[in-house]
Amino acid sequence: QITLKESGPTLVKPTQTLTLTCTFSGFSLSTSGVAVGWIRQPPGKALEWLALIYWNDDKRYSPSLRSRLTITKDTSKNQVVLTMTNMDPVDTATYYCAHIVGLGATDFDYWGQGTLVIVSS
Amino acid sequence: QSVLTQPPSVSGAPGQRVTISCTGSSSNIGAGYDVHWYQQLPGTAPKLLIYGNNNRLSGVPDRFSGSKSGTSASLGITGLQAEDEADYYCQSFDNSLNGLVFGGGTKVTVL
Repeated sequence: QITLKESGPTLVKPTQTLTLTCTFSGFSLSTSGVAVGWIRQPPGKALEWLALIYWNDDKRYSPSLRSRLTITKDTSKNQVVLTMTNMDPVDTATYYCAHIVGLGATDFDYWGQGTLVIVSS
Repeated sequence: QSVLTQPPSVSGAPGQRVTISCTGSSSNIGAGYDVHWYQQLPGTAPKLLIYGNNNRLSGVPDRFSGSKSGTSASLGITGLQAEDEADYYCQSFDNSLNGLVFGGGTKVTVL
């Protein structure tokens, strides 16, 4: 059974760096074809893809946020970490991590429950 | 402004059929990349419904169907039920952005 769970601060101040952790079970991020991604959703708005890390440590980022994002994995801990620098109130959103499996696949078949991050002074 | 364009809302009476369009371009859907569809019930995480344009995830009722043609894709829901009230999102890959893209979402209302 595949599960993912996001964790991190609920409240961050403008200009601070956000660090979110996705802890998962039921799969290994060292298995060929597996990837974990981050997606966010501002309140009442659409989903926005942020970043993706593959089993082979290949990384992809949203072009609009590339300069602010870093995604890493710790295979031994079954965790993926996303950092986002210079947080702004417009970054207030629910942040999800999700699983992809299959060479060339792009669909997220399992999602975490999401974690709400509020950016406010 | 989302890369993939969806109508903000669609509605239908119970039992009717509704269709949600997802319009892209030559760098995503038109380039042959797969389209996937997600259902998001209020207050919950998105759930994959259709993957690879027209493949239903195990357990998804056959009332849901997906199709793709040219630079567009669509999600059809037949025999609309009250439990289908949700937001629906399409998703694909864009080679000019070299990343994943979502549609703006469509709210389905059962009248």
